[in-house]
Amino acid sequence: ETGVTQSPTHLIKTRGQQVTLRCSSQSGHNTVSWYQQALGQGPQFIFQYYREEENGRGNFPPRFSGLQFPNYSSELNVNALELDDSALYLCASSPVEGPSPEAFFGQGTRLTVV
Amino acid sequence: GESVGLHLPTLSVQEGDNSIINCAYSNSASDYFIWYKQESGKGPQFIIDIRSNMDKRQGQRVTVLLNKTVKHLSLQIAATQPGDSAVYFCAENNSSYKLIFGSGTRLLVRP
Repeated sequence: ETGVTQSPTHLIKTRGQQVTLRCSSQSGHNTVSWYQQALGQGPQFIFQYYREEENGRGNFPPRFSGLQFPNYSSELNVNALELDDSALYLCASSPVEGPSPEAFFGQGTRLTVV
Repeated sequence: GESVGLHLPTLSVQEGDNSIINCAYSNSASDYFIWYKQESGKGPQFIIDIRSNMDKRQGQRVTVLLNKTVKHLSLQIAATQPGDSAVYFCAENNSSYKLIFGSGTRLLVRP
């Protein structure tokens, strides 16, 4: 186990709804990144948070937003859900800003949009 | 554009044999490359990484080779075991904040 926990593990939402996914980073890790993994594909970077601010963003629309809290935990919010948002959402934490081999992934949240 | 790709979507090997998983990348500015293992229902697990100024790096039963001339990366697993069955991803980074993952290779270990 990596010490990165995500909740919930599974979620079913209806198109147009909003969803919030949560991530608790590993102790001592101040950077959290979020990735979207569609079935049969590699993870795609959504954004990264460092010191409670967005540190970088991938090619995702503004309806994907996030937060990082003082305890370094993080949320991913998706508004106006679309069917194509169905995916495994992964959170990764690391002790340093930017990507790092020391990044540890959680088990993910499986989101299904119907 | 940036891309990391894999040559084979599925690799089947006999238990005890060596496995070689290949990956091609296109961004010559990448600083380091990482191999991840992802088992069903779990997040990616770090296996080994290699910096762009290295050609080879060894870990426990795994070796990563980097050929910058042809932009090719490989992961060698010695004495493949049933527990090695998973999807393997290569990922690259070019000093930005994100990792760029390939689409993955599924490794199946036959008993």
